[in-house]
Amino acid sequence: QITLKESGPTLVKPTQTLTLTCSFSGFSLSTSGVGVGWIRQPPGKALEWLALIYWNDDKRYSPSLKSRLTVTKDTSKNQVVLTLTNMDRVDTATYYCARKLGPLDYWGQGSLVTVSS
Amino acid sequence: QSALTQPASVSGSPGQSITISCTGSSSDVGGYNYVSWYQQHPGKAPKLMIYDVSKRPSGVSNRFSGSKSGNTASLTISGLQAEDEADYYCISYTSSTTWVFGGGTKLTVL
Repeated sequence: QITLKESGPTLVKPTQTLTLTCSFSGFSLSTSGVGVGWIRQPPGKALEWLALIYWNDDKRYSPSLKSRLTVTKDTSKNQVVLTLTNMDRVDTATYYCARKLGPLDYWGQGSLVTVSS
Repeated sequence: QSALTQPASVSGSPGQSITISCTGSSSDVGGYNYVSWYQQHPGKAPKLMIYDVSKRPSGVSNRFSGSKSGNTASLTISGLQAEDEADYYCISYTSSTTWVFGGGTKLTVL
């Protein structure tokens, strides 16, 4: 059974750095072709693709957020970490992680992050 | 990269068929057969319905089908059911080796 779960703060202040962890089970990020992606969704708005890390540590970032995003993996812990610097109110959203094997096929439940002072 | 263009809303009656379009460019939808479609019910995570333009994951009803022509991909739902009422999103691989979502379409079953 494949599961993913996002964890991290529910509230961050403007200018702070957000760190979210995706903990997963049922697959390995050392398997060829496997990746873990991050996607966010502001309240009432559309999905936005953020970043992707592959089994070989290849990383891809949204061009519009590239300067603020970092994604890393800890294969031994079955975790992927996303950091987003200089948080702003417009970054308030539910953040999802998802396994990528071909498409983004298994998703976590999402973690709502609110940016407010 | 700009979001792919989807109609904001579509509607249909039970039993009917509807089609949701997803328009991009030759740098994304038109250039690759890596378009997926997701269904999202309120408060839930997205669910994969179609991938690689027209492939259906195991467990997804064959009432859902996908296609592509030029820079536009389409999701067709036949035999509409009340449970199909949800938001639908397309996503495509891009020439920048990144991914881009559509703006989403709200499907209402009348």
